[in-house]
Amino acid sequence: KQEVTQIPAALSVPEGENLVLNCSFTDSAIYNLQWFRQDPGKGLTSLLLIQSSQREQTSGRLNASLDKSSGRSTLYIAASQPGDSATYLCAVGDSSYKLIFGSGTRLLVRP
Amino acid sequence: GAVVSQHPSRVICKSGTSVKIECRSLDFQATTMFWYRQFPKQSLMLMATSNEGSKATYEQGVEKDKFLINHASLTLSTLTVTSAHPEDSSFYICSARVGTIQETQYFGPGTRLLVL
Repeated sequence: KQEVTQIPAALSVPEGENLVLNCSFTDSAIYNLQWFRQDPGKGLTSLLLIQSSQREQTSGRLNASLDKSSGRSTLYIAASQPGDSATYLCAVGDSSYKLIFGSGTRLLVRP
Repeated sequence: GAVVSQHPSRVICKSGTSVKIECRSLDFQATTMFWYRQFPKQSLMLMATSNEGSKATYEQGVEKDKFLINHASLTLSTLTVTSAHPEDSSFYICSARVGTIQETQYFGPGTRLLVL
């Protein structure tokens, strides 16, 4: 059974810092991996999707990497801003398009 | 981008009543829709997978007679929580899959259910 773990559970950084969020998964037979953002009481916004054959994806200040063999992914946020404060969720997808989510990292970027 | 809506956004009901939540893909046809449940400070847990015109597939531990899913069209799926109890209070989120190469899912804004 696939299990997804995210570390750290919470993170507080001053504005401007670069930071890395970690995601690990137990079964390397994944179809893809996605990073989402969730604001309090809201739905999810997809940030980056990495196919199983890809190593990384970039969008603006965000960069996500994928190492299937070691069961790890990282989300790198450059020059963090207070508006980046949210919960970041990692989810792995299987061939039936189901997503298994990690427990998330709650990020606070202090002005 | 693709937009998914949910209605209602928030519902409060008495124990024993049934509550219907709608999930709509507004500008695309969704091959598959998914229903998730999220308890406070926890992650999303997949409840069921819904394909248009066929029976939903439920995850282990999810009671199909309690959580009725109907997927009548390629743009609408409904989740009915039957005889709701306080332990059913949660944040219910749907997502819709677009069958493109990217295979991404678009999520609705969620429905907050509070059962008194």
